[in-house]
Amino acid sequence: GNSVTQMEGPVTLSEEAFLTINCTYTATGYPSLFWYVQYPGEGLQLLLKATKADDKGSNKGFEATYRKETTSFHLEKGSVQVSDSAVYFCALSDVSGGSYIPTFGRGTSLIVHP
Amino acid sequence: GAGVSQSPSNKVTEKGKDVELRCDPISGHTALYWYRQSLGQGLEFLIYFQGNSAPDKSGLPSDRFSAERTGGSVSTLTIQRTQQEDSAVYLCASSFNFPGQGGGYTFGSGTRLTVV
Repeated sequence: GNSVTQMEGPVTLSEEAFLTINCTYTATGYPSLFWYVQYPGEGLQLLLKATKADDKGSNKGFEATYRKETTSFHLEKGSVQVSDSAVYFCALSDVSGGSYIPTFGRGTSLIVHP
Repeated sequence: GAGVSQSPSNKVTEKGKDVELRCDPISGHTALYWYRQSLGQGLEFLIYFQGNSAPDKSGLPSDRFSAERTGGSVSTLTIQRTQQEDSAVYLCASSFNFPGQGGGYTFGSGTRLTVV
């Protein structure tokens, strides 16, 4: 079956530090990959996505590149802010593999200190 | 509406009682999904609706859980005889069509259920 594995948190950084949150996946078909963000007390929001190999998704200074050879979709940001503190979920949708429901990782909590 | 609305936002119930959780999706979204988010866990898929029908109910944890959707809009997730292990945040999402390729899922803020 499909699965998504994220690095365990919490990740604690100082403001303006570089962020990497690792995500690897297994899928039967050729999935689309996503990062969602959940701010405290809110639902999940789509942060960025990539639908084919070597695509780079980007939004709000965050980036992730679809690496088929390493089955990875690591999230990066060059300079984090306190307002980036949230839980980040990596997810995949594998329609070509016959799985119509998106699969989510466990989430990685990011805490950014001033 | 402008977003996915869930109610109540918080629910505390006694063990053994029944609870109903409501999800009002974005107007025009045909697909609706229920997930459960437990402390320290990822999102556990429960059930989805395409229109009013739910083709796959295998994600429901037990026969105490049921869900329905009427008029292709509002959905209700019912948990009968609640147990303490049912305590979690229940998230609802909707998408314009099914499957929601391209990340077109919009989530509600969830219902935090606490069974005491």
